[in-house]
Amino acid sequence: KQEVTQIPAALSVPEGENLVLNCSFTDSAIYNLQWFRQDPGKGLTSLLLIQSSQREQTSGRLNASLDKSSGRSTLYIAASQPGDSATYLCAVSSNTGKLIFGQGTTLQVKP
Amino acid sequence: DVKVTQSSRYLVKRTGEKVFLECVQDMDHENMFWYRQDPGLGLRLIYFSYDVKMKEKGDIPEGYSVSREKKERFSLILESASTNQTSMYLCASSLTARAYNYGYTFGSGTRLTVV
Repeated sequence: KQEVTQIPAALSVPEGENLVLNCSFTDSAIYNLQWFRQDPGKGLTSLLLIQSSQREQTSGRLNASLDKSSGRSTLYIAASQPGDSATYLCAVSSNTGKLIFGQGTTLQVKP
Repeated sequence: DVKVTQSSRYLVKRTGEKVFLECVQDMDHENMFWYRQDPGLGLRLIYFSYDVKMKEKGDIPEGYSVSREKKERFSLILESASTNQTSMYLCASSLTARAYNYGYTFGSGTRLTVV
């Protein structure tokens, strides 16, 4: 059974820092991995999608990497801003069609 | 961009009521999903559907049913609402079940409180 773990559960950094969020999964037979952002009381916003054959994807200050063989992904946020404060969720998709989520990392960027 | 619309942001219902949560997507996606999200438990899959009139149980289907009469609409039904169904409900859609290069799009969520 696929399990997804995110470390750390919470992170607080000063504005301007570069930071890395970690995601690991137990079954490497994934179709893709997706990073989402969730603001309090809101739905999920997709940030980046990495196909199983890809190593990384970039969007603005965000860069996500994928190492399928070791079951790991990282989300790198450059020059963090207070507006980046949110919960970040990673999720993997497999041939079951289901999306399996980690518990999330809650990020606070202090001005 | 794909849009997934959930009909209500907030709902308050009484114990024992039959509750309908509606979700509509506008991009002809085959797959639709209902999740619930609770503190400390994360997102858990309730039901999903690969096609019109088709449904599959997720991890926590007890106390829920679903309906998909049209491709764009996926309804979650609480047959007899109970207080332990107080939660955030999230609907999602994706193009196909086995798409390497296509992700999931979520709605903005419905916060349901059962009193």
